[in-house]
Amino acid sequence: AQSVTQLDSQVPVFEEAPVELRCNYSSSVSVYLFWYVQYPNQGLQLLLKYLSGSTLVKGINGFEAEFNKSQTSFHLRKPSVHISDTAEYFCAAYMSGGFKTIFGAGTRLFVKA
Amino acid sequence: DAMVIQNPRYQVTQFGKPVTLSCSQTLNHNVMYWYQQKSSQAPKLLFHYYDKDFNNEADTPDNFQSRRPNTSFCFLDIRSPGLGDAAMYLCATSITGTATTIQETQYFGPGTRLLVL
Repeated sequence: AQSVTQLDSQVPVFEEAPVELRCNYSSSVSVYLFWYVQYPNQGLQLLLKYLSGSTLVKGINGFEAEFNKSQTSFHLRKPSVHISDTAEYFCAAYMSGGFKTIFGAGTRLFVKA
Repeated sequence: DAMVIQNPRYQVTQFGKPVTLSCSQTLNHNVMYWYQQKSSQAPKLLFHYYDKDFNNEADTPDNFQSRRPNTSFCFLDIRSPGLGDAAMYLCATSITGTATTIQETQYFGPGTRLLVL
């Protein structure tokens, strides 16, 4: 079965520290990978996506992610976080051949001053 | 700016009283989705429209229906809301073309938070 696993439900971190949010996927077909951010009482906003090509993908707000096919991972990183990065982050995978995007359970990033 | 709009942002209804949530888009995307998101959970796909073709998820309750009268608008109807239907409802769109142009990026509206009393 196809699935997306976010390994941490909550990640507390101090402001200006680096952060990594982990995501693993399981799929037997080609997959496109995404990270979305959700601020309180808001919809999801696309941070970045991997479709093909370079495995290092840069997104908005200084975030980047690296696609690792051998480890079936797509971890999200930021070298220095801000208070405003406090939000819920969802990793998602779109399996080719269908219209369904599989979302992970989400990781709540909490940035402390 | 092109966008996905959901109205209302907050909706209060009574147990068993039908309610309709609205979504409109100015992106001219051919696919529209409805998700249900409960507190601290991932969005759960209820159904989607590919143009006029309706696609229901197997585990979506019959209580949930949808209408898409034209490209720009999509409605979510909950025929008899129960307490368990209280959630955030997210509308999203995407554009899907041929196999060489498929890019499954979804654009989300701000959501409608439904409260059932």
